[in-house]
Amino acid sequence: DTEVTQTPKHLVMGMTNKKSLKCEQHMGHRAMYWYKQKAKKPPELMFVYSYEKLSINESVPSRFSPECPNSSLLNLHLHALQPEDSALYLCASSQNGQGAYGYTFGSGTRLTVV
Amino acid sequence: RKEVEQDPGPFNVPEGATVAFNCTYSNSASQSFFWYRQDCRKEPKLLMSVYSSGNEDGRFTAQLNRASQYISLLIRDSKLSDSATYLCVVPSSSNTGKLIFGQGTTLQVKP
Repeated sequence: DTEVTQTPKHLVMGMTNKKSLKCEQHMGHRAMYWYKQKAKKPPELMFVYSYEKLSINESVPSRFSPECPNSSLLNLHLHALQPEDSALYLCASSQNGQGAYGYTFGSGTRLTVV
Repeated sequence: RKEVEQDPGPFNVPEGATVAFNCTYSNSASQSFFWYRQDCRKEPKLLMSVYSSGNEDGRFTAQLNRASQYISLLIRDSKLSDSATYLCVVPSSSNTGKLIFGQGTTLQVKP
């Protein structure tokens, strides 16, 4: 199994809603990542979990809250988002937190905030 | 100097052409480099990893020049299906294991 699975694939939410994005991998990878990508821009790192501990938070607003329940799962909890948060949210994993072997990305969740 | 820089293009080439993209990086200590391909509205997918002077996989060749701190991606005999954005990815100089993505180079192969 060499996949990173993200759900849902599409999400439309209002600015007062609370929703969660989910990511799962069964490759035995010990590092997982959340990226945000706007149209025609490269992915921007949001959070890194290494061995289930948050190791990098790229000054992301608190309306985004990551959670790593175990080594296979990564969630991103969303609350009180703004329309400018509409983007493709990508989850990725790697063997460890060193990035030496690249990342495997999930297919993403396309989020629209209305 | 930016950590990773790419020419955004677009590169418009006819089928069968050979095209090359360059990417410069600032982290002189980096030991690994990556080219990712991203199709419109899809996730990035790892195309090639480069750990030494270069790597070749079919029509694709990646070369590394450590002295000048650039990596290149050469695509021979371009196919229509090669049309995509190609992202150059390099470990961050902060040594946190973070990967830095270039802006991407857009390739459009035309019949």
